[in-house]
Amino acid sequence: GAGVSQSPRYKVAKRGQDVALRCDPISGHVSLFWYQQALGQGPEFLTYFQNEAQLDKSGLPSDRFFAERPEGSVSTLKIQRTQQEDSAVYLCASSGRETKNIQYFGAGTRLSVL
Amino acid sequence: KNEVEQSPQNLTAQEGEFITINCSYSVGISALHWLQQHPGGGIVSLFMLSSGKKKHGRLIATINIQEKHSSLHITASHPRDSAVYICAVSRVGKLIFGTGTRLQVFP
Repeated sequence: GAGVSQSPRYKVAKRGQDVALRCDPISGHVSLFWYQQALGQGPEFLTYFQNEAQLDKSGLPSDRFFAERPEGSVSTLKIQRTQQEDSAVYLCASSGRETKNIQYFGAGTRLSVL
Repeated sequence: KNEVEQSPQNLTAQEGEFITINCSYSVGISALHWLQQHPGGGIVSLFMLSSGKKKHGRLIATINIQEKHSSLHITASHPRDSAVYICAVSRVGKLIFGTGTRLQVFP
């Protein structure tokens, strides 16, 4: 597609529910990033893929957070047993080899955990 | 202390005013980015800098590597410039973000 696409745009979950957030990067982009943005804050790094390899997951806040990119394209961020503190906007970004430091962002998924 | 600090946090201006947003960082970086985020919207990259100065339309970004400081300037500001402006640095492949500056430009 023309840009990074994320779905759903909004997700409301009950505490304890599992959620899955999807990211479709720009076609051909090798690198894919997930960020978490709490209300009124700047985004914070969660994890990074190069193709299907997860090269850095140092920002994942707990073992309830899991990300995958099995075919090196679409990525899914899964949060198990959601907690209220997981409420945030989850942003996905991708970048290509030719402009590898410029990341193109999706519109994000706003997760609200009640 | 955050690795990337921005000031001011909030900024209001009258249409036509010259705007400056500052960013300081405390870590080694490969590049510095200025991004724009509209309410409810995604993030758009404005500039990527590793030295000197860049200009795009009414926007100018400068960086001083020795002082670990960057500024974003908006000339002849307009209400459509109202957004959150975020400074971020590239470090080991990932971006480290400042908390952003919320700019409101009134007609």
